[in-house]
Amino acid sequence: DQQVKQNSPSLSVQEGRISILNCDYTNSMFDYFLWYKKYPAEGPTFLISISSIKDKNEDGRFTVFLNKSAKHLSLHIVPSQPGDSAVYFCAARDGGATNKLIFGTGTLLAVQP
Amino acid sequence: EPEVTQTPSHQVTQMGQEVILRCVPISNHLYFYWYRQILGQKVEFLVSFYNNEISEKSEIFDDQFSVERPDGSNFTLKIRSTKLEDSAMYFCASRPNLSAGELFFGEGSRLTVL
Repeated sequence: DQQVKQNSPSLSVQEGRISILNCDYTNSMFDYFLWYKKYPAEGPTFLISISSIKDKNEDGRFTVFLNKSAKHLSLHIVPSQPGDSAVYFCAARDGGATNKLIFGTGTLLAVQP
Repeated sequence: EPEVTQTPSHQVTQMGQEVILRCVPISNHLYFYWYRQILGQKVEFLVSFYNNEISEKSEIFDDQFSVERPDGSNFTLKIRSTKLEDSAMYFCASRPNLSAGELFFGEGSRLTVL
């Protein structure tokens, strides 16, 4: 039962262009959404988040958009840089007793110089 | 900047052996979690821990797994009798309070079961 889905396993983008990573979820009880970045052999690193009561959050080159009616969120990176190349995980806070995060399967972003 | 630290970074063990993975969460954090990632798959929740007891566990977290906070700083995950399918990266995470959105992750412990 995949409650958080990232349907694109990989994405390749030219340096300077926009990267758009997508994420869909099924559980309307999720109350907070996060994006994590992960390099090989390292732990996930928090990137940006958004509350379910908002539809956009921006932090420098990173913007997260939330469409609650479609149960869809996206991460925009502009301009993309080679150092952005990593696996990006979408995660949702389940709003339950422990507020655990539920992760998607990840999207490998490759930014070509 | 405070960080979550995990040891060992890599452990190789024989099937059936016991393994203990150690974590030192960020010092003022109260909620602790273990996640794992089998190679190429998603990061999966195993267990959450608060106030010296398990607050939630997943179906993966069966009787072979246990967690404890033996000394107020370390947070350990024990696998009693490892199986081949336990081979994965195990991540410890913590947060200061339940309302915090972000979990802070360690760099992970790679477990290889032969």
